[in-house]
Amino acid sequence: QVQLQESGPGLVKPSETLSLTCTVSGGSISKDYWSWVRLPPGRGLEFIGYIHYSGSTNRNPSLKSRVTISVDLSKNQFSLRLRSVTAADTAVYYCARVSDIPPSRFYFDYWGQGTLVTVSS
Amino acid sequence: QSALTQPASVSGSPGQSITISCTGTSSDIGGYDYVSWYQQHPGKAPQLMIYDVSKRPSGVSNRFSGSKSGNTASLAISGLQPEDEADYYCTSYTSSSTFVFGGGTKLTVL
Repeated sequence: QVQLQESGPGLVKPSETLSLTCTVSGGSISKDYWSWVRLPPGRGLEFIGYIHYSGSTNRNPSLKSRVTISVDLSKNQFSLRLRSVTAADTAVYYCARVSDIPPSRFYFDYWGQGTLVTVSS
Repeated sequence: QSALTQPASVSGSPGQSITISCTGTSSDIGGYDYVSWYQQHPGKAPQLMIYDVSKRPSGVSNRFSGSKSGNTASLAISGLQPEDEADYYCTSYTSSSTFVFGGGTKLTVL
């Protein structure tokens, strides 16, 4: 059973960089796609981006200029960096696996429990 | 990319059936059969309920079903139970090789 766990600071100051790591257990990160999704308070889920174990990434166009996603195969982890944060980036951040086993493709089958990140001075 | 359009809320009594719609464009829902649905209870992670438009993961009740017509996908829940009360989100793969979520629908079981 694949399990994901987010970790990182729960409080980030405006204009600084939000950094989160997702640790994958029960399976290898060296397959499939791995993603970040967030849930701002009072709003709906928002796709942030994903990374393939090969290192290729794709990001939500509205966040693309501020987002970096990376993978560390040796640690079975992938990470999110979101630059120049504002209060609008306050959200619960989830990491999730994107299943891609043709012909069934492109759905989020395993999720972390989520971590609340608050942007405030 | 704009969020997919879902009704903000739906409600039904125990035992009844409801349907939640999810409208997108030809660049997402209309272009791919990669629509999935998620149930989220307060304070919990989303849970996959439907993938590939209409397939159910192992362990998900057959009271949940999905369909698609043109640019609109739908999630149907039959025999409503109190534990079905939650937020529901649709998502679709897009022509930009990204994903787009719906705004979410709050299901209330009266």
